[in-house]
Amino acid sequence: NAGVTQTPKFRVLKTGQSMTLLCAQDMNHEYMYWYRQDPGMGLRLIHYSVGEGTTAKGEVPDGYNVSRLKKQNFLLGLESAAPSQTSVYFCASSRKSGGSAYIQYFGAGTRLSVL
Amino acid sequence: QKEVEQDPGPLSVPEGAIVSLNCTYSNSAFQYFMWYRQYSRKGPELLMYTYSSGNKEDGRFTAQVDKSSKYISLFIRDSQPSDSATYLCAMKPGGSEKLVFGKGTKLTVNP
Repeated sequence: NAGVTQTPKFRVLKTGQSMTLLCAQDMNHEYMYWYRQDPGMGLRLIHYSVGEGTTAKGEVPDGYNVSRLKKQNFLLGLESAAPSQTSVYFCASSRKSGGSAYIQYFGAGTRLSVL
Repeated sequence: QKEVEQDPGPLSVPEGAIVSLNCTYSNSAFQYFMWYRQYSRKGPELLMYTYSSGNKEDGRFTAQVDKSSKYISLFIRDSQPSDSATYLCAMKPGGSEKLVFGKGTKLTVNP
């Protein structure tokens, strides 16, 4: 019953440090997404993936990289963190086809502060 | 003009009130319409979804889509303090992998 699991839940970085956020889903979904949520800005799509080994840019991709080496995992990397990347990050997944293919299921989020 | 517009509120109502939450959109290609609920410090969770126009009811919640006016609504009857959350509308055109979200409306139901 895990659904979408994000690790870590909280993290504090110094400017210039790097880190990787991990998203894992156990629903065998083809599509996976990374969003950031900031006050007044809503959910903004960073990168997404339509299948293992494929990734695509979303609305705000700069400063982030992603990888999808396994179908169930989607990694978000920050190579050199900046204070502007302080945010809450959400991962989501959805099916490719079927009656409810457009429904995205979200993880609990990762709260990141960059000092 | 943004693709999806949603009044951020905040909206504060007494317990038992009828709540109306709304979104307008500009892309006539949108076919799938959803409402997500997000409790404080949690991830969004799907509340209701509809395809194309019409109404859908689930307990105290009713979702309406008016494609001619490019307007969707979520009604909450007999609102409860447990309904206090941020409500996000989301929509997408057929054939797209991506959802377009509204910025969310923060609702507080006071006991």
